[in-house]
Amino acid sequence: AQSVTQLDSHVSVSEGTPVLLRCNYSSSYSPSLFWYVQHPNKGLQLLLKYTSAATLVKGINGFEAEFKKSETSFHLTKPSAHMSDAAEYFCVVSVAGGFKTIFGAGTRLFVKA
Amino acid sequence: NAGVTQTPKFRVLKTGQSMTLLCAQDMNHEYMYWYRQDPGMGLRLIHYSVGEGTTAKGEVPDGYNVSRLKKQNFLLGLESAAPSQTSVYFCASSYRGLAGLSYNEQFFGPGTRLTVL
Repeated sequence: AQSVTQLDSHVSVSEGTPVLLRCNYSSSYSPSLFWYVQHPNKGLQLLLKYTSAATLVKGINGFEAEFKKSETSFHLTKPSAHMSDAAEYFCVVSVAGGFKTIFGAGTRLFVKA
Repeated sequence: NAGVTQTPKFRVLKTGQSMTLLCAQDMNHEYMYWYRQDPGMGLRLIHYSVGEGTTAKGEVPDGYNVSRLKKQNFLLGLESAAPSQTSVYFCASSYRGLAGLSYNEQFFGPGTRLTVL
């Protein structure tokens, strides 16, 4: 069975400081892993994806994530937060061609000036 | 390209009324999905389709029906709306993954906010 756990429901950082959003997953098969971002009253936008190639994945807007199979983690990081990063972030695991797509509950990121 | 579009954007229904949500995509994607988003629960899959004329149940299919008569459209129907169906509904689409690979990036529409009184 597949599952996704986002370890923090809310994260608050100051502008210019690093961002860390944590995600653990479980999967019986080789998964694809994704991070999506949702700004208020908007749809979801893909930040980055892992599909069994490089374990360090770079995405848009300076975000990156590292796939660690031994820790079953796929944490999202950014060196320096910007006010425009304030949004909700979803970690997603997908197997079997995407039919079993499991979303984490989401982490809301607050960025203080 | 418009990507994935959804109509309507907002709707208020009374208990027992019916309605249909329309999703359209212009990317020639084979797969389409309907999700609902509720606070603190992420997105949950309602139904999905792997091609024209085919549909399948997702995680929370009860109270919903779907149809995919054309490749570019995926309709979600509520036959008798209930307050528990108050939610934000998202449609998504994706390419079919290559055989043996589970790569599957989904493209999302802007959502439909539905309130059932």
